[in-house]
Amino acid sequence: GAGVSQSPSNKVTEKGKDVELRCDPISGHTALYWYRQSLGQGLEFLIYFQGNSAPDKSGLPSDRFSAERTGGSVSTLTIQRTQQEDSAVYLCASSSDRYNGIQYFGAGTRLSVL
Amino acid sequence: AQSVSQHNHHVILSEAASLELGCNYSYGGTVNLFWYVQYPGQHLQLLLKYFSGDPLVKGIKGFEAEFIKSKFSFNLRKPSVQWSDTAEYFCAVNAFTGGGNKLTFGTGTQLKVEL
Repeated sequence: GAGVSQSPSNKVTEKGKDVELRCDPISGHTALYWYRQSLGQGLEFLIYFQGNSAPDKSGLPSDRFSAERTGGSVSTLTIQRTQQEDSAVYLCASSSDRYNGIQYFGAGTRLSVL
Repeated sequence: AQSVSQHNHHVILSEAASLELGCNYSYGGTVNLFWYVQYPGQHLQLLLKYFSGDPLVKGIKGFEAEFIKSKFSFNLRKPSVQWSDTAEYFCAVNAFTGGGNKLTFGTGTQLKVEL
């Protein structure tokens, strides 16, 4: 596709349930990033994938959060046992260059935990 | 770890007024600097970037930013704003710590331009 695609666009879940958020990056982009945008918090880095290298997980807030990237393309962010404080917009970005590449963002998934 | 401060959280201007949004970062090494914009209901998109060279960089829609290394600043400017500039603006830094292109964002500035 022409841009970064994320699904679903909105997700409402109950506290304690698991959720999976999907990101389809721009074709050919080797780097993929997940960020979280919370009200008043700006954008918070979560995790970064670059090619076949081990991901940089330094931004994941707890062990309830995990992500994988299959075949160097599509990525899934999983949140287990969701809590109300997980409510946020989860943004995915991709980049063609590890160091100087511009990051292109998707529209995000708005997660609401009731 | 690097951090980014945007001091103006909400700015309201009339059309044709001049704009300057402040951005300061904390990191003593080499950095790439970015301004991203999020128009209502739209994706984050790149407004402009600084990698090296001329510290005054020009972006889309008449925006420009100046990198002042001694002040650790990368302020965004526009001489005359339009109603269509109403959006949220984010400053971001990529510090070269060997961790690739991970961006650290400021908390954003909500700009409202009134007719």
